[in-house]
Amino acid sequence: QSVVTQSPSASGAPGQRVTISCSGSSSNIGRNIVNWYQQFPGTAPKLLIYNSRQRPSGVPDRFSGSKSGTSASLAISGLQSEDEADYYCATWDDSLNGYVFGTGTKVIVL
Amino acid sequence: QVTLRESGPALVKVSQTLTLTCSFSGFSLTTSGFFVAWIRQPPGKALEWLARIDWDDEKFYSMSLKTRLSISKDPSRDQVVLTLTNVDPLDTATYYCARTMTVAGNTMFDYWGPGTLVAVSS
Repeated sequence: QSVVTQSPSASGAPGQRVTISCSGSSSNIGRNIVNWYQQFPGTAPKLLIYNSRQRPSGVPDRFSGSKSGTSASLAISGLQSEDEADYYCATWDDSLNGYVFGTGTKVIVL
Repeated sequence: QVTLRESGPALVKVSQTLTLTCSFSGFSLTTSGFFVAWIRQPPGKALEWLARIDWDDEKFYSMSLKTRLSISKDPSRDQVVLTLTNVDPLDTATYYCARTMTVAGNTMFDYWGPGTLVAVSS
């Protein structure tokens, strides 16, 4: 089991705002940046947010990230049907001297 | 254009050694700031980071799998090899390799291969 936890699922109607949380500790999120990855069934993950809040080129500004203390969040505003996917946070853990992924959150568009 | 592709056996038997190769193009593992990582995902489960090799040959391993993992690179062939010894059915997963890039001290997996599914059978 991962040392970084996420709620198993989040849902919203099209156009609504959904927030996904990522909870860690002082050895990981508390000291390091967080990246977020989006994964559709049967495909490889894609980098969605890096450095806790920055978007790679091509990622819509509907996606935003934030970090505070030992937690991080990903918000999706103006939810669209194509946003239905699994989302993972990831960060470096100084105690484990390795990366850790969150447990993943499935976003469902109602 | 950066691409990565994993290759290896689709099926291995319990207690055997799994060897996977990541072939990449569009970047060089001799360039400072670039690394290659391996990540796996059991069916229906979360992503799990396994190992990383850096441009200067520094290596990092998942603490829980450290005794069974080995990562190496062949920069002349643009390949990274991961071996996992003494496999178990719990090692059944899709294995991904990913380019890891550093920007201002922050690392991210910015390009991923399509993944290769490996099943461990008894």
